[in-house]
Amino acid sequence: EPEVTQTPSHQVTQMGQEVILRCVPISNHLYFYWYRQILGQKVEFLVSFYNNEISEKSEIFDDQFSVERPDGSNFTLKIRSTKLEDSAMYFCASSEAGRGDYNEQFFGPGTRLTVL
Amino acid sequence: DAKTTQPPSMDCAEGRAANLPCNHSTISGNEYVYWYRQIHSQGPQYIIHGLKNNETNEMASLIITEDRKSSTLILPHATLRDTAVYYCIVRVGGQGGKLIFGQGTELSVKP
Repeated sequence: EPEVTQTPSHQVTQMGQEVILRCVPISNHLYFYWYRQILGQKVEFLVSFYNNEISEKSEIFDDQFSVERPDGSNFTLKIRSTKLEDSAMYFCASSEAGRGDYNEQFFGPGTRLTVL
Repeated sequence: DAKTTQPPSMDCAEGRAANLPCNHSTISGNEYVYWYRQIHSQGPQYIIHGLKNNETNEMASLIITEDRKSSTLILPHATLRDTAVYYCIVRVGGQGGKLIFGQGTELSVKP
């Protein structure tokens, strides 16, 4: 069964460093998302991406964050200058288009980001 | 998107049906009820969704009241692997669009 994959599974970085989290969505999906979950808290929406542009972003997704689809398969989340409070599990998700009202989002296993 | 209210936790005996309630009294006519679950910090997993009619798939059944102000997710024969946090999400149907997760119900299936 097709699945969303994410790399790395765990990333440790120093405060102020840039990190790039990588995702490979399911191949025929056209909508892509990033969510995050701080330990013990809710899953929070960060950004959605469609047709090579951001379609919606949350207030969390400030100028320190950016997303890119550099080729036909990868979808990346970049954090330019990491803060301690960016430590969280980051989930990538993707969904199909052309399915009417149906909107199942498939989530990857997540990247655990630890900022020291 | 309408707010949802779920009990914070529930227990269920293995092999019995697990009935997880959700209140969404402010739901509007074009909003769907979606259920996802998250097993121990893994990525959330879609279970089922519905608008008005009851729905069933290989994982679960979804019962929506006639006034659509509440719904129940039913896992007919819960197993230990169903231990997870279950999220009821109400949103406008259609492609794309964010999911807004609440705190969900932590279901513990016990032997």
